[in-house]
This record gives sequence, structure tokens and C-alpha cells, in this order.
Amino acid sequence: TQLLEQSPQFLSIQEGENLTVYCNSSSVFSSLQWYRQEPGEGPVLLVTVVTGGEVKKLKRLTFQFGDARKDSSLHITAAQPGDTGLYLCAGVNYGGSQGNLIFGKGTKLSVKP
Amino acid sequence: NAGVMQNPRHLVRRRGQEARLRCSPMKGHSHVYWYRQLPEEGLKFMVYLQKENIIDESGMPKERFSAEFPKEGPSILRIQQVVRGDSAAYFCASSPQTWTVNYGYTFGSGTRLTVV
Repeated sequence: TQLLEQSPQFLSIQEGENLTVYCNSSSVFSSLQWYRQEPGEGPVLLVTVVTGGEVKKLKRLTFQFGDARKDSSLHITAAQPGDTGLYLCAGVNYGGSQGNLIFGKGTKLSVKP
Repeated sequence: NAGVMQNPRHLVRRRGQEARLRCSPMKGHSHVYWYRQLPEEGLKFMVYLQKENIIDESGMPKERFSAEFPKEGPSILRIQQVVRGDSAAYFCASSPQTWTVNYGYTFGSGTRLTVV
């Protein structure tokens, strides 16, 4: 069974600090997606990483896909209160249909002003 | 262009009643995906539908749950004889015919089902 484990589960930091959250698996994924979810809302796609070793930047957010395509990280520079939310990684379930994504349980980030 | 629309946003049902959750995909999208998010759990895949066709229902509980996406109208997720364990947030996403998973999903805002 494919699993995506995210760490840390909770993270509370002050505005201006840097942070990294991780998404790890023992399985290979063809691609991984990162979403942010705010309370009472659906997940919103941030980025998809496809190639092993790929790095993508989205303003202060940097996403990296591991060389072996088993893990990914999200680094936020100079966090702001607006970054608060639940960060989810997701990958396609091997052998499943394209709609069958496996999600990690998420990292709940709180950025205090 | 409206996004994925789900209604109702909140639904309260007594144990044993039926719950119907609706999902209107983005305009021009012909594929719908349903996910469930239990408290303190990640999202779990339930079912993937195209118009008038179920493509993958490997995540659907075998009993009491059904889904459809008719030629006209929204996709419906139906839960019969609800139990307290069905309380969760249910999300749907949609995609067009020409799409790959690498494009990512657009999710609706979800329906929060509470069974009392």
C-alpha cells in the first residue's frame, strides 16, 4: 500500500521565520502535487512536480522533488500570517486511475504576527 | 467562469436518513472525482466518474454509498441510512476530457455532513 507521510504534523512559528515541511514515501510516484487548505474550504493546488530532482519556486515557496521521486519538500522563506493553513501533498496511486490520488495527512502551519 | 460548485455547504442528517451531495463541475469539464476527509485524516479517494460512466469506484464503501454523473445535471453522491461515522467533509474536483494528472485538481469548497 502506498503511503505519503508528512512531517511535522503541526508547526507554529513567528512571522519572518523560515520553515521546511516534508512529504516522504517508500514508493515511487510519477508526480507529486502540493495543496494548501484553509478551514472550511477545499484544497487549492500550489504546484505539481514531475521530474526527479525538480525544483519549482512560487514567490517565497520552494518545492523540491527527490531524485528518486519518493519524497518532496516545501520550503517557505520569511513566513507571513497569510501562509497559515494545512499543507497537503498528494500523488497518483500506482495502478489506480488518474483520479485516484493518495494524500498525506498534512502539515498544519500557524504563522503568528 | 465559475469553479467547482458543491451544495449544500452544510448538511445535517439523523441516523438512518439519506444524504444527497451535489457537485457541478467547471464549465466544459466532463470528469468528476469525489474525496472524503474525515476529522484528523487526510483526503481519501472515493470515486471517479465521467458523464454516465463510473471509471474507478475502488474507494467507495461497498454498502450504502453510490455516485452518478448523468448526461445533464450535477454529479450526485448518495449515502443511504447514514451513520455517525459518515460525518465528514466531502469534496469533489473536476477536469476536462484532455487533461493529465500533472495539471492538478480544482476542488470545490466541500459539503460538511454531520450525522446526529
